[in-house]
Amino acid sequence: AQSVTQLDSHVSVSEGTPVLLRCNYSSSYSPSLFWYVQHPNKGLQLLLKYTSAATLVKGINGFEAEFKKSETSFHLTKPSAHMSDAAEYFCVVRGGADGLTFGKGTHLIIQP
Amino acid sequence: EAGVAQSPRYKIIEKRQSVAFWCNPISGHATLYWYQQILGQGPKLLIQFQNNGVVDDSQLPKDRFSAERLKGVDSTLKIQPAKLEDSAVYLCASSTLRGGLLTEAFFGQGTRLTVV
Repeated sequence: AQSVTQLDSHVSVSEGTPVLLRCNYSSSYSPSLFWYVQHPNKGLQLLLKYTSAATLVKGINGFEAEFKKSETSFHLTKPSAHMSDAAEYFCVVRGGADGLTFGKGTHLIIQP
Repeated sequence: EAGVAQSPRYKIIEKRQSVAFWCNPISGHATLYWYQQILGQGPKLLIQFQNNGVVDDSQLPKDRFSAERLKGVDSTLKIQPAKLEDSAVYLCASSTLRGGLLTEAFFGQGTRLTVV
């Protein structure tokens, strides 16, 4: 069994300030973890993934995430928010060859 | 490489009617998923195929939903009869093995279903 909890349904930051989107997971297996982004009326795009290699993972558009097994967390960060980052973000877990289990999503709002 | 193709993009039907969605995964991807995304929620896995076999359909409402992937390539998802609560975006995704590990899922654009 696996599950994902995204701790914030909405996050609002000013342009140019850091972004932190929080995610906790549970899995019976050594998990693979992903962050996907969904812009309005667009498909799901992979931001980054953790698959048991380096615990600090760098993704596209300046995003990165750190896998912390002791805290069962996989928080997404970006040093400086851009207006184009406004979107819905999903933390996703997969245990073994199971299907992906999505969190409920975090809506990121960027204030000018 | 070409992405995951889905059709139609939009569909409006009346309740109790039937509807079918089609998906063509990325060439060579053995694993295919169907997800349901209700407005304001994260996608929920409906069914996972490995080639033409079902790996997981535990969350598929089998009294009204069915899916097949007869030749292990493209897939269809059917709803019969549709209910109002089936209004959602239906997403198809595919994965492959790389270095012995399953890759991330690559998603299609989805089919937006409205049941009235």
